[in-house]
Amino acid sequence: AQSVAQPEDQVNVAEGNPLTVKCTYSVSGNPYLFWYVQYPNRGLQFLLKYITGDNLVKGSYGFEAEFNKSQTSFHLKKPSALVSDSALYFCAVRDQTGANNLFFGTGTRLTVIP
Amino acid sequence: SQTIHQWPATLVQPVGSPLSLECTVEGTSNPNLYWYRQAAGRGLQLLFYSVGIGQISSEVPQNLSASRPQDRQFILSSKKLLLSDSGFYLCAWSANRGPNTEAFFGQGTRLTVV
Repeated sequence: AQSVAQPEDQVNVAEGNPLTVKCTYSVSGNPYLFWYVQYPNRGLQFLLKYITGDNLVKGSYGFEAEFNKSQTSFHLKKPSALVSDSALYFCAVRDQTGANNLFFGTGTRLTVIP
Repeated sequence: SQTIHQWPATLVQPVGSPLSLECTVEGTSNPNLYWYRQAAGRGLQLLFYSVGIGQISSEVPQNLSASRPQDRQFILSSKKLLLSDSGFYLCAWSANRGPNTEAFFGQGTRLTVV
């Protein structure tokens, strides 16, 4: 079965500093990995997905993710954090059978401090 | 372009009352459809998924059911709500193009059972 883990419930970073939100995965076969962001009382918004062969994936709002096969990680990064980046971030993995269901990590709350 | 509509945005229902949440997708055909529940503003639990009209799979046994009467319509129901059914319900869709396809979410329904 496919799964992802987000080891940090909370990440705090100062505005203007680089940010990293961590995700590790466990899959059999090729990994199909995604990042989503959720603002309060809203649905999830797609940020980016892993594309086979690209170790650095660029997404929306200046976010990017670094894929590391040896460490089975897919960390979300941004060079310079904005206060408006404060939100709940989810890493997700696709099941590779049936309906290709999307399974989520437990989420990491990012707070950018002005 | 594709859009997903989910309603109502908020709902307060007494214990024992029925439930019907509706989700529709526009601008695509034969989507995979999903219902998730998010408890306490954190992790997402996959409740149901559907790969076609009348085809419903349940991920967890519970007090809820789902139906797909039309290609782009997905309904979440209950005959008698429990207090534990309270939560944030999210509908999502993805194109039926394999595991490297992102899912798109509705804005969610905040259900409070009193």
